Formats: sequence, structure tokens, C-alpha cells
Amino acid sequence: QKEVEQNSGPLSVPEGAIASLNCTYSDRGSQSFFWYRQYSGKSPELIMFIYSNGDKEDGRFTAQLNKASQYVSLLIRDSQPSDSATYLCAVNSAQFYFGTGTSLTVIP
Amino acid sequence: GAVVSQHPSWVICKSGTSVKIECRSLDFQATTMFWYRQFPKQSLMLMATSNEGSKATYEQGVEKDKFLINHASLTLSTLTVTSAHPEDSSFYICSANTGPEQYFGPGTRLTVT
Repeated sequence: QKEVEQNSGPLSVPEGAIASLNCTYSDRGSQSFFWYRQYSGKSPELIMFIYSNGDKEDGRFTAQLNKASQYVSLLIRDSQPSDSATYLCAVNSAQFYFGTGTSLTVIP
Repeated sequence: GAVVSQHPSWVICKSGTSVKIECRSLDFQATTMFWYRQFPKQSLMLMATSNEGSKATYEQGVEKDKFLINHASLTLSTLTVTSAHPEDSSFYICSANTGPEQYFGPGTRLTVT
């Protein structure tokens, strides 16, 4: 079982819609959780981190963490074509584990 | 957020030569840095963990004699690809932790001809 699992997609949403990205992790003792955005040909960029159960909002992005169910999600409201990228979920559990990423395309 | 730089951003070299890539943490000290490799349309692959003042820890399947890592200071780690071959052509990305968060450098695209 992989440490971090994501649906590879591709996920397509129309412009203005809400994009929902999900991630599950295996180590129940994990304490910190991250979402990175990676544009094609570029390195990953940290866009959100969350440490406590519940929601954390930053602009159009909301990270949601449910430790009991061992999942973390990222919601992108009012999706824009510029949000089209691969989104990587990462979990810090003694070391960093990355998911394989979900490819998101926002259709104008 | 914290800033990690890499140099060069891209390099082309001939088969059999060696290439050095630098990774610097610009506004924080990093006792640990990480080196990743990413082939087109594939996910990140951790190659090694670079520890300041000690030997790097390599992931299974990564040749330590081919990918030399030196972490000589709290702000600089270098990756040297020795005797590069075309199959080493890839996107090499370093990262560093500040607290629980990990920040990536912009990456170095290596092409071996």
C-alpha cells in the first residue's frame, strides 16, 4: 500500500466551477499535510498546508483534513484556466511522502 | 514562503562528462535537503536525502557513485552527475525543509547528448 494515494485523473472542470481533489494516506500518526501545484515543466509550488482537523481557507483554495478517515482534500473555487496543473498531495510522517498527483484541466 | 534556488536552470552536456548542480536555501538554513528526479509526465522520484556535514542517504536503486551529493554548509547542497549518459537526461529538483514545510527549487533540466 502506498503511503499517499491520489486519483491521477485527469479531472476536467468548466471555468468558474469548484474543483475537488482528494488524497488518502496510510500513516495514522501523520501530523502535517500539504498541497503542491506543479505546472508542466516546472517544479512543485507549495500552495496550502494544514495540520489540524477541519477546513483551512486561503483565497479560492480550501484544504480539508479528516484524520479519523485519513483523507485530505483541496477545493478550488471559481476555477480558472490558470489553475490547470498537476496537484500533488504530500504528507509529513517522519519523512515526506508525495502522491503521484492529480492532473486538473479547467476548460474556458 | 521560503526560497530555494538551483543553478544552473538547464544544462546540456556530452555523454561521459560530469555535471554539477547547486541547490541553495536563500533565506533559511537547511540541515537536510532532498534531491528528486522527474521524467516527462511521471511523478517525482526521491533520489537521496542530503544531510549537512554527513553522508547522503540514497534511495534504493540510486547509484551513490554516479550521483555524488555534497552538503557542505547549511545553505548549499550539490549534486554531481558523473559520467553522464543520455538516460540521465531528466529534470532534477532539490528541496529543503523549514519547519514541517518543504520548499522546492525551480529545477535543473539536464540533457545529455
